[in-house]
Amino acid sequence: ETVMTQTPLSLSVTPGQPASISCKSSQSLLHSDGTTYLHWYLQRPGQSPQLLIYEVYSRFSGVPDRFSGSGSGTDFTLKISRVEAEDVGVYFCMQGLHLPKTFGQGTKVEI
Amino acid sequence: EVQLVESGGDLVQPGGSLRLSCGASGLSFGYQWMTWVRQTPGKGLEWVANISPDAGGKFYLDSVKGRFTIFRDNAKNSLYLQMNSLRAEDTGVYYCAKDELFGRLDYWGQGTLVTVSS
Repeated sequence: ETVMTQTPLSLSVTPGQPASISCKSSQSLLHSDGTTYLHWYLQRPGQSPQLLIYEVYSRFSGVPDRFSGSGSGTDFTLKISRVEAEDVGVYFCMQGLHLPKTFGQGTKVEI
Repeated sequence: EVQLVESGGDLVQPGGSLRLSCGASGLSFGYQWMTWVRQTPGKGLEWVANISPDAGGKFYLDSVKGRFTIFRDNAKNSLYLQMNSLRAEDTGVYYCAKDELFGRLDYWGQGTLVTVSS
């Protein structure tokens, strides 16, 4: 099983300041088609998870451009350029290349 | 607008069975892969199973193989998860999600709670 390790597990941020979350996978997420299948999800309090970033850096429809993803191979990062109050919740990375598909433990972001 | 609505969660005794349903609207259901994900106190978010549009392809988490069955009825725009031989560690919220392949789950339902306890 591909293990996804996120750091930090919790993050207290000031509105307007940047935030960064790291995600490392135990094996490469690069497919032979050239795509890296690493995605980021946000679960706001009391809600279902929602897709934020797919395939490392592509923002899903409606996701503000203050969110960005980067990385390759086994090391990935989610960055929020200027945190807003609505960004609180738990952020999860997920790999979709290897079965079973696996999630990171989650990073709780608080204001 | 894509909507996914799960139902069927309940309190069940260990060893019991439960069938979860997910009704879909606002998408071409018969052309979509679909996935079940659960959120448990012990393991957080876990991918459970997914199914191809024609139901010819089904994949499962090892710990549920032989106990859970994913299936669908494209005429009813519905996805199901038949869960047998339930264990305490299966307790959690179960979500259905539209699957754009390779883990890109772009729409999720609100979830349904399964509690396995005596």
